[in-house]
Amino acid sequence: GAGVSQTPSNKVTEKGKYVELRCDPISGHTALYWYRQSLGQGPEFLIYFQGTGAADDSGLPNDRFFAVRPEGSVSTLKIQRTERGDSAVYLCASSRDRNTGELFFGEGSRLTVL
Amino acid sequence: SQQGEEDPQALSIQEGENATMNCSYKTSINNLQWYRQNSGRGLVHLILIRSNEREKHSGRLRVTLDTSKKSSSLLITASRAADTASYFCATDAQGAQKLVFGQGTRLTINP
Repeated sequence: GAGVSQTPSNKVTEKGKYVELRCDPISGHTALYWYRQSLGQGPEFLIYFQGTGAADDSGLPNDRFFAVRPEGSVSTLKIQRTERGDSAVYLCASSRDRNTGELFFGEGSRLTVL
Repeated sequence: SQQGEEDPQALSIQEGENATMNCSYKTSINNLQWYRQNSGRGLVHLILIRSNEREKHSGRLRVTLDTSKKSSSLLITASRAADTASYFCATDAQGAQKLVFGQGTRLTINP
């Protein structure tokens, strides 16, 4: 596609439910990042993939959060037993490779946990 | 935790004036980037400056980097109403894989 695509754009769920957020990066981009952004804050790093492997998952807040990128393209961020504090915009970004620098961001998935 | 801290948190100026935003960071970096975010949208890359560069220009944007002070500034000249957005600096720390963002400066350009 022309840009980074994220689905769903909005997700409302109840506390305790399971959620999956999908990111389709720009074709050919090997590096993929997930960030979380709360209102009025900067993006907070969650996890970085180089190809299929998670090169840095130090930003995942706890073991309820997990992300995969099985074929080195599309990635899914999975949140188990959602809590109200998980409410935020989840941003995905990709870049050609680790050293390119510039990240291309999607429009984000807004998650609301009631 | 956030590496970069922007200053000011919010800035409101008249159209046509120049806008200056500052960013400070804590560790040695490979490069520093500036991004822009319109309300409710994703971030858009503006400019990247490497650690061995001191100044860079792109259109109405001018970025400086002072690695001795661990700080950077973004200057937008001849501001327009369409420049209204939040601006974030992001650093690529040496030895780290991730790009870390600051809290941002919310810029409002009044017509």
